[in-house]
Amino acid sequence: AQSVTQLGSHVSVSEGALVLLRCNYSSSVPPYLFWYVQYPNQGLQLLLKYTSAATLVKGINGFEAEFKKSETSFHLTKPSAHMSDAAEYFCAVSPTGNQFYFGTGTSLTVIP
Amino acid sequence: DTGVSQDPRHKITKRGQNVTFRCDPISEHNRLYWYRQTLGQGPEFLTYFQNEAQLEKSRLLSDRFSAERPKGSFSTLEIQRTEQGDSAMYLCASSSKRERLLEQYFGPGTRLTVT
Repeated sequence: AQSVTQLGSHVSVSEGALVLLRCNYSSSVPPYLFWYVQYPNQGLQLLLKYTSAATLVKGINGFEAEFKKSETSFHLTKPSAHMSDAAEYFCAVSPTGNQFYFGTGTSLTVIP
Repeated sequence: DTGVSQDPRHKITKRGQNVTFRCDPISEHNRLYWYRQTLGQGPEFLTYFQNEAQLEKSRLLSDRFSAERPKGSFSTLEIQRTEQGDSAMYLCASSSKRERLLEQYFGPGTRLTVT
């Protein structure tokens, strides 16, 4: 069975500080991996995706994530947090590109 | 591109009643997905369509749930004999084909409250 674990349901960072949101997955084969963001009262929006090309994936709004097969991880980072980054972030995995499995989410708070 | 729309946005119903939700995907997106999201959880896959064909259905989806996409455009999700445990946000997403197949665009969701 596929699963996604997001460590830390709540993360707080100061404005301008590094953002690191953790995601680990379980899969027998390298899957497709995704990060989505959900702003209050809005639908989920794709930040970035990994599809077996480059292991370092750049997304929108300055976010990037690195696929590490040996660690079964796909952590999301941003060098400098902005107030507008405050949102809920979801990591997702898809073994075949058909069914998608989401983590429980990490709520990011940015402190001015 | 007007985005994925869902109707209604909110639904309150009494236990035992049937409810139906509608999803209009982005025009010409051939894949359409339904998810359920409860408080503090991520979206949970329910089912997906490729054009009008329902290709996969979660084992968690009871027989009270049924989805259709009759003409390969909009889709409906029906829940029969609703239970309090059905209270959740129901999300719809769509994606196009080929290189953008994996990029799902989500609608705002339908929040269902079963009393």
